[in-house]
Amino acid sequence: KQEVTQIPAALSVPEGENLVLNCSFTDSAIYNLQWFRQDPGKGLTSLLLIQSSQREQTSGRLNASLDKSSGRSTLYIAASQPGDSATYLCAVRTIRHGSSNTGKLIFGQGTTLQVKP
Amino acid sequence: ETGVTQTPRHLVMGMTNKKSLKCEQHLGHNAMYWYKQSAKKPLELMFVYSLEERVENNSVPSRFSPECPNSSHLFLHLHTLQPEDSALYLCASSPLVGSNEQFFGPGTRLTVL
Repeated sequence: KQEVTQIPAALSVPEGENLVLNCSFTDSAIYNLQWFRQDPGKGLTSLLLIQSSQREQTSGRLNASLDKSSGRSTLYIAASQPGDSATYLCAVRTIRHGSSNTGKLIFGQGTTLQVKP
Repeated sequence: ETGVTQTPRHLVMGMTNKKSLKCEQHLGHNAMYWYKQSAKKPLELMFVYSLEERVENNSVPSRFSPECPNSSHLFLHLHTLQPEDSALYLCASSPLVGSNEQFFGPGTRLTVL
């Protein structure tokens, strides 16, 4: 059974710092991995998606890496800003098998980030 | 409105009540999902619908009853819930089932007394 773990559960940093959020998963047979952002009282926003054949993806100040063999992913945030304060969720999509299993997203519990001005 | 909307945003109900959560997507997607987000637990997939047909039910108790009358609307009917069912219920949609991108609504915060 696939399990996703995110460490740390919470993180508080001063503005301007570079930081790394960690995600690990128990079954390396994944289709892809996604990082989401969730603001209080709001839904999830997809930040980055890494296919199983890829090693990393970048979007602006965000960089996500994937090491499928070791079951790890990191989300690197450069020059953090107060507006980055949110909960960051990691999710892996399981492999599809035939036409009946479309692959599901398995989520970690998230890392709640606070960036202080 | 655009995107995925959910109503109500907050709901408090007793264990004997019957209520319904509503989700609407304005994206022209064919797949819709219900997720449950409990405190200190990962987001859990509950139901998946593709073109109004339920394609996945992840061992959800029968006190939760989904309904998808068309590809734009998804309901979650609630009856005789338990306090442990208190959670944030998120709706999502995607172009097709299994598509990489799922678009999430803001959620309904449910409290069962």
